[in-house]
Amino acid sequence: GAGVSQTPSNKVTEKGKYVELRCDPISGHTALYWYRQSLGQGPEFLIYFQGTGAADDSGLPNDRFFAVRPEGSVSTLKIQRTERGDSAVYLCASSLGTSGAEQFFGPGTRLTVL
Amino acid sequence: TQLLEQSPQFLSIQEGENLTVYCNSSSVFSSLQWYRQEPGEGPVLLVTVVTGGEVKKLKRLTFQFGDARKDSSLHITAAQPGDTGLYLCAGAPGDSSYKLIFGSGTRLLVRP
Repeated sequence: GAGVSQTPSNKVTEKGKYVELRCDPISGHTALYWYRQSLGQGPEFLIYFQGTGAADDSGLPNDRFFAVRPEGSVSTLKIQRTERGDSAVYLCASSLGTSGAEQFFGPGTRLTVL
Repeated sequence: TQLLEQSPQFLSIQEGENLTVYCNSSSVFSSLQWYRQEPGEGPVLLVTVVTGGEVKKLKRLTFQFGDARKDSSLHITAAQPGDTGLYLCAGAPGDSSYKLIFGSGTRLLVRP
């Protein structure tokens, strides 16, 4: 079976633009997570979905960041008015359950804001 | 705020040598996980430790969870070039175990 896939693999944009990053979780996984990994750092939690709803969005840095998962499968992370500090690798993960369940990570989208 | 500190940040060793990397915190975690990440890929889970004092072995890798569940170590015996990568520890807070808190990683290079 396919693992978690993310598109695009690389995205270069200009400061102030809007971007969308897509995540396709493993089929049947109800939980989905977004993390952000800056250069030289470990991943940092952004948001967690259980089904269609965002169960915990406490890691989103500000209101320019938003994520959706309308049908409980594919998720899109949306960033408005991008800033240079948003440059990072955005990782998506999915799991069968939540508490203690193994999270399977995708390869990430490398976002570069010029 | 719960933080995990990993040491060393970088490690370059010769094939066949042994090494230990550390993951420390002042906070208690319900479980702790070790991942390996290669360039252009997401982290891949190696092991989860749950019980204080627990030791788990995965071939040449030995993982230990501290008695107080605040720290962990990863020991690699007879390192091989295929062990090269970024090793990350991640803790699961007791009240929200899905929200993994990652350390900044140990970047290991094993020279042939």
